Amino acid sequence: GPKVLQIPSHQIIDMGQMVTLNCDPVSNHLYFYWYKQILGQQMEFLVNFYNGKVMEKSKLFKDQFSVERPDGSYFTLKIQPTALEDSAVYFCASSFTGGNYEQYFGPGTRLTVL
Amino acid sequence: SQWGEENLQALSIQEGEDVTMNCSYKTYTTVVQWYRQKSGKGPALIILIRSNEREKRSGRLRATLDTSSQSSSLSITGTLATDTAVYFCATDDSNNNRIFFGDGTQLVVKP
Repeated sequence: GPKVLQIPSHQIIDMGQMVTLNCDPVSNHLYFYWYKQILGQQMEFLVNFYNGKVMEKSKLFKDQFSVERPDGSYFTLKIQPTALEDSAVYFCASSFTGGNYEQYFGPGTRLTVL
Repeated sequence: SQWGEENLQALSIQEGEDVTMNCSYKTYTTVVQWYRQKSGKGPALIILIRSNEREKRSGRLRATLDTSSQSSSLSITGTLATDTAVYFCATDDSNNNRIFFGDGTQLVVKP
């Protein structure tokens, strides 16, 4: 079936550094999402993105966070600067249409901020 | 928040048993999606039930939806050890821009 890829699978960085998480969504999908999951906890919505714009973001999507998808390449989540509480697994998802249709999730990027 | 009662729980059962997981939600939704997340992986949709459906079946899975009580259930019959995962239900908002995940149920099926 359709696959969403995420690069890297793991990232360890020092607090205050910048990190970029990359997502390669399903090729014909138009809606893109980032979620944050701390181990053993709920999947938390961060942001969704359509037609080059952020449609909605949660309170977890701090000012230090940004997303973009330049020219149909990777859909990225950038955190600058990182904080200790940003340590989590970040999942990217994509869907062909909006929120009430199936979202395809990537395998996640485990981010550890030291 | 979209979510009413917290339904986070952990269930441990023997292979072959049947299991039912429940979720309830606060506001209107057009669909309830059930996702399964295996350890170290992203969630994957396993069954979707729309607001005009009361029941949906897919193999060993059965989902129900009661819009009057704003609740949904997922049943798995004849569980297998490979069904071990966290199961989330998810609903959408009135704008259909996003889905809201519940806390999930950790299901462990012992072989």
